Amino acid sequence: GENVEQHPSTLSVQEGDSAVIKCTYSDSASNYFPWYKQELGKRPQLIIDIRSNVGEKKDQRIAVTLNKTAKHFSLHITETQPEDSAVYFCAASKRGSQGNLIFGKGTKLSVKP
Amino acid sequence: DTAVSQTPKYLVTQMGNDKSIKCEQNLGHDTMYWYKQDSKKFLKIMFSYNNKELIINETVPNRFSPKSPDKAHLNLHINSLELGDSAVYFCASSYGQGATDTQYFGPGTRLTVL
Repeated sequence: GENVEQHPSTLSVQEGDSAVIKCTYSDSASNYFPWYKQELGKRPQLIIDIRSNVGEKKDQRIAVTLNKTAKHFSLHITETQPEDSAVYFCAASKRGSQGNLIFGKGTKLSVKP
Repeated sequence: DTAVSQTPKYLVTQMGNDKSIKCEQNLGHDTMYWYKQDSKKFLKIMFSYNNKELIINETVPNRFSPKSPDKAHLNLHINSLELGDSAVYFCASSYGQGATDTQYFGPGTRLTVL
């Protein structure tokens, strides 16, 4: 079955710096890659997603890149702010999996003012 | 307020008890899910239902039984609770059951088994 590896497990940056979180997946049939942000004690919330027919997607300070050949995708946050501090999860699913999202183990991002 | 809601938010109980968690969504979605998030924050799918029909049933002990009375509700009943069941349980929903349908999560239920 699908396996999603996520690195790093913790990341600390200074406010204003960029943060990059990387994920790899094992199943080449995976075609949907969402990223969720989970603040302490809160629910996971979708921040951006990418489908396998696209190599990059941007939404203001957040971007996601996908390399299907290498089977990895990354989340890029620019101009980080203290409110970006949270746990970020990548996930993958494939056509026919009926919404079975396989999550990475999460990255705890701390943005220091 | 449109959302996925869960009750209760916190649940503290003794080993061996039976408990239920309720989930409701008013987003008009057809598919609902239960996830377990353990103490290390790992999120893993347990079940999903599409229009009241079970479509995903991961390797979960038989003590866990989901029930969907209608497509807006998905409840989770747990029998004979064990210490290892302590976790945060999230309900989620999506418009369809396709691999690319965005899943929206409820606020979570923190279950503590003593």
